[in-house]
Amino acid sequence: DADVTQTPRNRITKTGKRIMLECSQTKGHDRMYWYRQDPGLGLQLIYYSFDVKDINKGEISDGYSVSRQAQAKFSLSLESAIPNQTALYFCATSGRSSTDTQYFGPGTRLTVL
Amino acid sequence: AQSVSQHNHHVILSEAASLELGCNYSYGGTVNLFWYVQYPGQHLQLLLKYFSGDPLVKGIKGFEAEFIKSKFSFNLRKPSVQWSDTAEYFCAVKGYSTLTFGKGTMLLVSP
Repeated sequence: DADVTQTPRNRITKTGKRIMLECSQTKGHDRMYWYRQDPGLGLQLIYYSFDVKDINKGEISDGYSVSRQAQAKFSLSLESAIPNQTALYFCATSGRSSTDTQYFGPGTRLTVL
Repeated sequence: AQSVSQHNHHVILSEAASLELGCNYSYGGTVNLFWYVQYPGQHLQLLLKYFSGDPLVKGIKGFEAEFIKSKFSFNLRKPSVQWSDTAEYFCAVKGYSTLTFGKGTMLLVSP
């Protein structure tokens, strides 16, 4: 969905490097999420933000940090990348209602060597 | 805490066969249930969702799902699959605030 964009789309890095993945949305949603996808494991929630001042840890936040720079921007950082953080990372957004759909970005494929 | 279990990791069907993918959830309160699809190389897209009302929900591309509260299930169905339905399918449950996904079912439809 072009309303949710992620940069970069692909990234190869080395162990110990700091990496930032960026997400922008034009849907006007308050809520934003970061997931990682590993084969056979589905999607696991890393962090989520219900507004600019509300950031929460998800299931697997260790080794990650986030920044909500504006309503439309939500960045994920790997402070010191390690090989088991090699995965597909998705950003998503949604409205405030519990029935609202989450809309996903195209994903960032990250490889840590 | 909420959880989701998808019964099959891989399903292989021939075109025109009927499809049913199992999904069971665990959550003590009011749930909202979703099926997402991920076509090869693409991001997740919503197929359908249930939050109240008619337990039989119709989605895009001929898919439907039935919410059975007594069985904590939300199975996905399609009467006749096409090659273009080859994808990974994710069931998800939303409780108070966040979505929890199942591990996914990879569907391969052979022509």
